[in-house]
Amino acid sequence: EDQVTQSPEALRLQEGESSSLNCSYTVSGLRGLFWYRQDPGKGPEFLFTLYSAGEEKEKERLKATLTKKESFLHITAPKPEDSATYLCAVTGANSKLTFGKGITLSVRP
Amino acid sequence: GAVVSQHPSWVICKSGTSVKIECRSLDFQATTMFWYRQFPKQSLMLMATSNEGSKATYEQGVEKDKFLINHASLTLSTLTVTSAHPEDSSFYICSATRETGVRNSPLHFGNGTRLTVT
Repeated sequence: EDQVTQSPEALRLQEGESSSLNCSYTVSGLRGLFWYRQDPGKGPEFLFTLYSAGEEKEKERLKATLTKKESFLHITAPKPEDSATYLCAVTGANSKLTFGKGITLSVRP
Repeated sequence: GAVVSQHPSWVICKSGTSVKIECRSLDFQATTMFWYRQFPKQSLMLMATSNEGSKATYEQGVEKDKFLINHASLTLSTLTVTSAHPEDSSFYICSATRETGVRNSPLHFGNGTRLTVT
């Protein structure tokens, strides 16, 4: 069974304080790892897809990286508007998307 | 980008009544849509896969007679919660993928429906 574990559960940062969110996974035949952002009361918003170890993607202050066992979402100089829950999900050989519980990020001004 | 619209965004109903939730892909055709349920501080749990023109595929433990799914067109899937009970109160989210035949293209999600059964 595919599993996704995200840590920490919650993270509080000062504006401008860079950090990383971790996503550890076990999956049979990784076909894709996805990062989403979810605001309270909203559906997840797609951020990145990573397909193979060593791959990296960037968008504004966010950078996602992937190894064979985990992915990191690096946030550089975060702003209060980056506050949200960040979800990691994987698709394996069964083509089903398995989500982690998410990491709630709070950025203080 | 791809847009998935979900309606209503919230609904309150009495125990024993049925509620219908609509999910539309606004700028693309979706042969497959997915319905998820999310409890507070929990993962999104896949309930069922909705296939246009055929029966939905339900995940283990999801009652197909309670959660009726219809995917009558390439842009619309509906989830009907029948004879709702307070334990059905949850956040329901639909999703669709824009591309087919492409390796695991990302799902795009609707904004969810908060269902409260009193």
